[in-house]
Amino acid sequence: AQKVTQAQTEISVVEKEDVTLDCVYETRDTTYYLFWYKQPPSGELVFLIRRNSFDEQNEISGRYSWNFQKSTSSFNFTITASQVVDSAVYFCALSEPSSGNTPLVFGKGTRLSVIA
Amino acid sequence: SAVISQKPSRDICQRGTSLTIQCQVDSQVTMMFWYRQQPGQSLTLIATANQGSEATYESGFVIDKFPISRPNLTFSTLTVSNMSPEDSSIYLCSGASGRSAGELFFGEGSRLTVL
Repeated sequence: AQKVTQAQTEISVVEKEDVTLDCVYETRDTTYYLFWYKQPPSGELVFLIRRNSFDEQNEISGRYSWNFQKSTSSFNFTITASQVVDSAVYFCALSEPSSGNTPLVFGKGTRLSVIA
Repeated sequence: SAVISQKPSRDICQRGTSLTIQCQVDSQVTMMFWYRQQPGQSLTLIATANQGSEATYESGFVIDKFPISRPNLTFSTLTVSNMSPEDSSIYLCSGASGRSAGELFFGEGSRLTVL
């Protein structure tokens, strides 16, 4: 069965600090997708990244970077030089589309508070 | 990416009433799903909305409580029936297209408060 664990419930950092959000997943499939979503206080879910299981290259997008390591079943998310606008709940999610488009299984989320 | 619109965006409801949430996507999606997010919690899948047939419900969710329709590829509704305060949640519609295997797009969510 699929499972996504985000062990950090809440994190507080001071503005301009770097912060890493952890995500560990479990799956029996060899083909799967991993995602990160951001949920700001307004409530909508904002897609940040999708990574397929065959692509272990790390990715950087501006202040965001992702470290995918199959050996440890982890897909961690780092925000560099954090800003107050980064304050949100961040969800890691997993999909196993082997039989077509399948719904995502979400972790419990990590609430990030960036303090000015 | 698909744009998914939901309405109402929020509502305050009385115990025992029912409310229908509408979800409209701007392009054809192969799959549509409804999620629930209880206060301070993660997202839980309620059901897969199937076009022209009964929805597929996850464990813990039943059709009598959460009837779902999907008359065509771009529209779906979720009804929360006989509401109680425990139903106070954000309900999110999501869709996936075959072009982006595994990727889900989400609506803005419908925040329901049941008094």
